Formats: sequence, C-alpha cells, structure tokens
Amino acid sequence: AQTVTQSQPEMSVQEAETVTLSCTYDTSESDYYLFWYKQPPSRQMILVIRQEAYKQQNATENRFSVNFQKAAKSFSLKISDSQLGDAAMYFCAYRRRVNTNAGKSTFGDGTTLTVKP
Amino acid sequence: DAGITQSPRYKITETGRQVTLMCHQTWSHSYMFWYRQDLGHGLRLIYYSAAADITDKGEVPDGYVVSRSKTENFPLTLESATRSQTSVYFCASSESFHSYNEQFFGPGTRLTVL
Repeated sequence: AQTVTQSQPEMSVQEAETVTLSCTYDTSESDYYLFWYKQPPSRQMILVIRQEAYKQQNATENRFSVNFQKAAKSFSLKISDSQLGDAAMYFCAYRRRVNTNAGKSTFGDGTTLTVKP
Repeated sequence: DAGITQSPRYKITETGRQVTLMCHQTWSHSYMFWYRQDLGHGLRLIYYSAAADITDKGEVPDGYVVSRSKTENFPLTLESATRSQTSVYFCASSESFHSYNEQFFGPGTRLTVL
C-alpha cells in the first residue's frame, strides 16, 4: 500500500519570503500522480499543483512550484513571495495512474502553514 | 448553485442513530467520492462511485453505506453511528476516470456523534 508522509506538522514564514513544505511517499509503482492541496480555515479543499511522475520537469503554478525527486520519492512544495492568504493546511496526495483505481488518492497528514505579517 | 454541495454542514447525533449525509453536484461528473478527515489528519477514502448504480469500497468503508441512483447525487449513510465516526466528511467529484483529473471537493460536513 502507498503511504504519504509529511514530516512537518507546522511551518511558519514571513510575508513575502519563501517556504518549502516537505512530502515523501512510498510506492512500488513507476507511474503515478502527485498533488498538493490547500485547505484554508473554510475547510474547502483546493488543488494547488499536480505532477505527473513520468515528467521530469517540475510543475509550476505562479508562485507555487514543486521539487520532484522520483528516485528519492520526494515531492516538496515551494511557495515564493508568501502572502497572508497562503495561510492554510497543505496536504500532499498520491494517486495511482491506473484508470480502474481512479481517484483513490492517499493523503498525508498535512502541514499547517502560518504566514506572519 | 453550480458546483458541489453537501448537506447538512453540521450534524450532531447520538450513538446508534442512522445518519445520512447528502452530496449533490451539478457538473454531471461521472466519478464521485466520499472521504473522512479526522482531526489533524489527511483525507481517507470511504467509498467511491464510477457512475450511477456503480459503487466500490475505499480504504475505510466499514459502518457506511452508499447509493447512487442518479448521477448528480451520492448520499452517505451511517447505519448505526459510533463515536469513532465523529469526523469531517468531504464529498468530491471528478469528470472522468483519468487519474490526472482534478477532484472537486464540497465544503464538508462536520459530524459529531455523542
């Protein structure tokens, strides 16, 4: 079974600075997807960024980027120019690239990010 | 309203009672999912559905029942609620079976079982 580990229960960053959230996962498969979700106090789950394992290029979405290290099974999220609105819990998720199991994601326990003004 | 909605948003019930959580989506997405999120943890899949009348178990299905008679609705029933089922429940939907597709989440239902 796949597992996802987020070793940082809490992180804090000064507004306008950069922060990196860590995620490691364990799988025996070679093809899969990885996601970062943001959950603000409203509880709404919001997709931040996704990465296809067969792509070597790291995904980027505006101020959000990932460092995907497939051999190390590491998938960290970098937030640049942090804003107060980035304060939330962030979840890393793994999903197999097998259609019969579509959507059966495995989530980490989350990292609570605080942004200080 | 367009999107995915859940009702009720908050529910308090007693041990042994039957509770049904509702989920409705307006996109005609084929796939729908139920997750639970326990305090301080990530989401765990309870059940999912690939289409109307097609459902399958997820990671933690015990104590739950689902049905999907219409594409847009995916109710989750706790047949006899237990304290361990106190959690926040999220419904989600996805356009197709492709794993890459984004799952859209509802706002969640906070359930407390006394």
